[in-house]
Amino acid sequence: AQTVTQSQPEMSVQEAETVTLSCTYDTSENNYYLFWYKQPPSRQMILVIRQEAYKQQNAMENRFSVNFQKAAKSFSLKISDSQLGDTAMYFCAFMIKGGSEKLVFGKGTKLTVNP
Amino acid sequence: EPEVTQTPSHQVTQMGQEVILRCVPISNHLYFYWYRQILGQKVEFLVSFYNNEISEKSEIFDDQFSVERPDGSNFTLKIRSTKLEDSAMYFCATSLWNEQFFGPGTRLTVL
Repeated sequence: AQTVTQSQPEMSVQEAETVTLSCTYDTSENNYYLFWYKQPPSRQMILVIRQEAYKQQNAMENRFSVNFQKAAKSFSLKISDSQLGDTAMYFCAFMIKGGSEKLVFGKGTKLTVNP
Repeated sequence: EPEVTQTPSHQVTQMGQEVILRCVPISNHLYFYWYRQILGQKVEFLVSFYNNEISEKSEIFDDQFSVERPDGSNFTLKIRSTKLEDSAMYFCATSLWNEQFFGPGTRLTVL
């Protein structure tokens, strides 16, 4: 069974600073995807960034980037120039390619951006 | 931009009652999912649906749960006899290629 671990239940950062959220996963599969979802207080799940396991290049979306270390099964999210609107729960998620392609989520990290 | 919609946004029901949660997927999406999030906890997979049948279900998805796509547009989750522990946020998600788009969720409160 696949598991996703987020070891930081809560983190805080000052506005305009950079913060890194950690995620590790466990799988014997070789072909999969990894995602970071943001859940603001409205509880809507919003896709932040995705990474395909076969791509060595780390994904980037504006201020959001990942550090994907396949051998270490690590997938951290870096948020640069943090904004107050980044305050949310962040969930790391894993999906095996093929089959039902369900998402397996970690427990989340609550990020607070302070003014 | 197309989006997944869910109704109702909040449902309050008595224990033992049946509830139906509705989702309207993005029109060309082929894969449909239900997830559950108990307050303060992680999002958990319930069931996936493709080609008008369940492709995978979790241990949570017992005989009290069912899904269907009755009219080719709505995707529904039915809970036949609700329990207190069914109180949670229920998310519908749909996808075409690997990327799942989530609806805003239905908050279910069982009293």
